[in-house]
Amino acid sequence: GENVEQHPSTLSVQEGDSAVIKCTYSDSASNYFPWYKQELGKRPQLIIDIRSNVGEKKDQRIAVTLNKTAKHFSLHITETQPEDSAVYFCAASKTYNTDKLIFGTGTRLQVFP
Amino acid sequence: DSGVTQTPKHLITATGQRVTLRCSPRSGDLSVYWYQQSLDQGLQFLIQYYNGEERAKGNILERFSAQQFPDLHSELNLSSLELGDSALYFCASSVGSGGQFFGPGTRLTVL
Repeated sequence: GENVEQHPSTLSVQEGDSAVIKCTYSDSASNYFPWYKQELGKRPQLIIDIRSNVGEKKDQRIAVTLNKTAKHFSLHITETQPEDSAVYFCAASKTYNTDKLIFGTGTRLQVFP
Repeated sequence: DSGVTQTPKHLITATGQRVTLRCSPRSGDLSVYWYQQSLDQGLQFLIQYYNGEERAKGNILERFSAQQFPDLHSELNLSSLELGDSALYFCASSVGSGGQFFGPGTRLTVL
């Protein structure tokens, strides 16, 4: 069935270091891979996404890479700041605008000053 | 602010009761999705509506039902509530440009 695995479950880094979160999906029909940031008690916020026809996408300190052959995608955060501390979820979907999201189990990122 | 609204923010009720959660999508968004977030289950897809029609179903219990009205707002009905139904319930909406945008959620506590 459809499944998204996410690692690690927790990640602690020093301010200024980089953080990498990895996900693997099972459904080869998946073509859209968003990442969400969720602060405690708040809504998941879309921070970056990538479609299957693209291998990498960058937005300031955040980048996402996709390896469709291996069914892997990763989130990279550079120059981390304390306000990056949150739970990050990866997700996969068949389309970017009309299909359900299958979420990973989340990564709790803590950035220490 | 994503533009998706949900009411109420909090709901406290007893086992066996029935509640209704409401969601208004962003202006112009035709799809509405409902997700359940509990501590041990993460974010789980429940059901999707597109322009008033049910489009996809996830692991939604038979005690749960939903609908989308002509003005595109949606309601999620939860009945015969059990302690295990306590969770955050989010709705999200999407349109052609892509991406699902989440509402602030309804925190349901079943006592």
